[in-house]
Amino acid sequence: DAMVIQNPRYQVTQFGKPVTLSCSQTLNHNVMYWYQQKSSQAPKLLFHYYDKDFNNEADTPDNFQSRRPNTSFCFLDIRSPGLGDAAMYLCATSRAGAGQPQHFGDGTRLSIL
Amino acid sequence: AQTVTQSQPEMSVQEAETVTLSCTYDTSENNYYLFWYKQPPSRQMILVIRQEAYKQQNATENRFSVNFQKAAKSFSLKISDSQLGDTAMYFCAFMKHLAGNQFYFGTGTSLTVIP
Repeated sequence: DAMVIQNPRYQVTQFGKPVTLSCSQTLNHNVMYWYQQKSSQAPKLLFHYYDKDFNNEADTPDNFQSRRPNTSFCFLDIRSPGLGDAAMYLCATSRAGAGQPQHFGDGTRLSIL
Repeated sequence: AQTVTQSQPEMSVQEAETVTLSCTYDTSENNYYLFWYKQPPSRQMILVIRQEAYKQQNATENRFSVNFQKAAKSFSLKISDSQLGDTAMYFCAFMKHLAGNQFYFGTGTSLTVIP
C-alpha cells in the first residue's frame, strides 16, 4: 500500500544533542510537510517542500531545519533540542493543486532528557 | 488570517447513537476547502471527509456527513451509528484555494464512544 512512513516511532535524545527524524513516501506526492504536535493541541506547521522549494513558516525557530534529497524522502533536523521541543512530529504529503488532502504518517514522538 | 474554532474540547456519545461536532471558521476568502480529520489514540491522522466551499451540497462518506453553512462559516460533522472505533480526536481544517496546500487546524474535539 502507498503510504507515508516515519522513522523512528519513538526517539529519545539529550538536551542539546542534534537529532534527525525521517519521513519517506511511496505516494509520489510533490508536497511534503512537517508538523509539530504537542499534547492535546492541533498540529503546528513548521515548514513544507513544494518539490525542491522550501517554505518555512515565519514562527518556526531557527533550531529546526529540513532536507529533501529526493521526492521520496524528507528529514527534520533539530540542531540543539530543548525541553520545549519534546512533542510528536508529523510528516504529511499531498499532491500539488487546489484542495488536495494531506496524508499523514504515524508520527515520531520525541523525548528530551 | 484564517482561524478555525472547535468549541467542544471533549464529547461523548453512546454506541449506535448520533453525535455532531461543531466547527466554525473565519475567512475573507470565497473559495476554499474544509476537511475533518480523525486521529485515534497513538495512531495516524486520517481524512474523514472533505468539502469544497463552492459546492452547496453537503459531503457524505458512509456514516459521516457534514452540515456546511457558508454564510454562517460553519462546518459541523455528524457521525451516525457511532462505533467504538470512532473514539478519537477530531480536527477541523481549512485550506485556501490556489494558495498552497497549508492547513489551518482547529484545536480539536476529543470524542469518546461509550459501549
